[in-house]
Amino acid sequence: QKEVEQNSGPLSVPEGAIASLNCTYSDRGSQSFFWYRQYSGKSPELIMFIYSNGDKEDGRFTAQLNKASQYVSLLIRDSQPSDSATYLCAVTLGGGGGFKTIFGAGTRLFVKA
Amino acid sequence: SQTIHQWPATLVQPVGSPLSLECTVEGTSNPNLYWYRQAAGRGLQLLFYSVGIGQISSEVPQNLSASRPQDRQFILSSKKLLLSDSGFYLCAWSRTGVNSGNTIYFGEGSWLTVV
Repeated sequence: QKEVEQNSGPLSVPEGAIASLNCTYSDRGSQSFFWYRQYSGKSPELIMFIYSNGDKEDGRFTAQLNKASQYVSLLIRDSQPSDSATYLCAVTLGGGGGFKTIFGAGTRLFVKA
Repeated sequence: SQTIHQWPATLVQPVGSPLSLECTVEGTSNPNLYWYRQAAGRGLQLLFYSVGIGQISSEVPQNLSASRPQDRQFILSSKKLLLSDSGFYLCAWSRTGVNSGNTIYFGEGSWLTVV
């Protein structure tokens, strides 16, 4: 069973701090990795994707990928109360499952004003 | 630009009744299409995916079925709903192609409550 694991949280950080969200995956052949944000009662929206080892920055967000350790993380700099949401890690399976993207259960983030 | 619509947005159905959720994608052709379910307080569970008309792959054995009668239309159905079918159902699409990265884009979701 291919899995994506996340700490369910909640993770609470003060406004302006860095929030660090982590994710591990079991399918070593996975090629594509995504972070989504989901507000309560809404559908998930894409924050960013990463395909290669290392860091990828987009505004206040930085995704980090380490395929050897099967680990993906998301850093949110200068956290704002509007960042309070559930963050979902997603992985597209490799090999014959190249069309299948599976999700972790999500980490709830609270940013305190 | 591409858009995805699904309906109805909310529905309350009695146990044993049928279900039909519909989804359409606009602005792209030959997309991969998906149905996910999210139970209360839980993660997204992949139910079905389709890489083309009439091609459906089922991920979880259950009393649900999916069909793709047209290139950009995806339908989720059930003949008899169970209480455990309650949840937030999400239709999604991604581009085909080796370099697409399979980024998933979601519709607005459908809240199903089985009573």
